[in-house]
Amino acid sequence: AQKITQTQPGMFVQEKEAVTLDCTYDTSDQSYGLFWYKQPSSGEMIFLIYQGSYDEQNATEGRYSLNFQKARKSANLVISASQLGDSAMYFCAMREDSSYKLIFGSGTRLLVRP
Amino acid sequence: DAGVIQSPRHEVTEMGQEVTLRCKPISGHNSLFWYRQTMMRGLELLIYFNNNVPIDDSGMPEDRFSAKMPNASFSTLKIQPSEPRDSAVYFCASSPALPRAFFGQGTRLTVV
Repeated sequence: AQKITQTQPGMFVQEKEAVTLDCTYDTSDQSYGLFWYKQPSSGEMIFLIYQGSYDEQNATEGRYSLNFQKARKSANLVISASQLGDSAMYFCAMREDSSYKLIFGSGTRLLVRP
Repeated sequence: DAGVIQSPRHEVTEMGQEVTLRCKPISGHNSLFWYRQTMMRGLELLIYFNNNVPIDDSGMPEDRFSAKMPNASFSTLKIQPSEPRDSAVYFCASSPALPRAFFGQGTRLTVV
C-alpha cells in the first residue's frame, strides 16, 4: 500500500542557509511520481517539484532540488539559500501510475530565522 | 487558465444542515481529487475520480459524505447532515494525464 512518511514535524533554518526536509515512501509499484508542495499561512497548496521513479537525474527547480534515493525509498527536498518567504508547511506526496491516487505525508513546518 | 475553482471559499453552517462544496477542475484534466485538511489528521484523500468515474472512495469518512462528478467540468462534495467534527478545509485538485496535481484555494467549512 502507498505510504508517505515525514518524520520532522518542525524545522528551523537560518536565512541564506540550506535545509533538507526528509521524506520516505513505500510502494509496491515500479512506476510512480514523487512531489513536494508548499503551503504558506495563506493556505493554498503550491507545487514545487516533481520526480519520476524512472528519472535518472535528481529534479531541480530553481532553489529547490529533490534528493532521490530509490533504493532507500527516500525523496528529500533541499532548499538552498533559504529566504524568509520559505517559512511554510511542506508536504511530500506520491502518486502511483497504476492507480492515479495521490497521497500526502503529514508535513513539515519550516521556519526561516532572520 | 483560471486554475481549479472552488466555491464557496468559506462556509459556516449549523449542525444538521446540508452542505455542498463545489469544484470546477481545469479544462482537459481527467483526474479530480477531494481532500480534507485538519490539524489532527493532516491532508486526507477523501475520493478521486478519473474521467468522471469515482475510482476510490475509501477515504470518505461515513455515509454522510457523498461526491459526484456529473461531467468533466464540475464536481460536488456533499455532507448531510453536517456535524461540528466536519469542520476543516476541503481542497479540490485536478490533474492531467501527466502526474502533477493542481489545487484549488480550498473551502474552509465551520459547523457550529
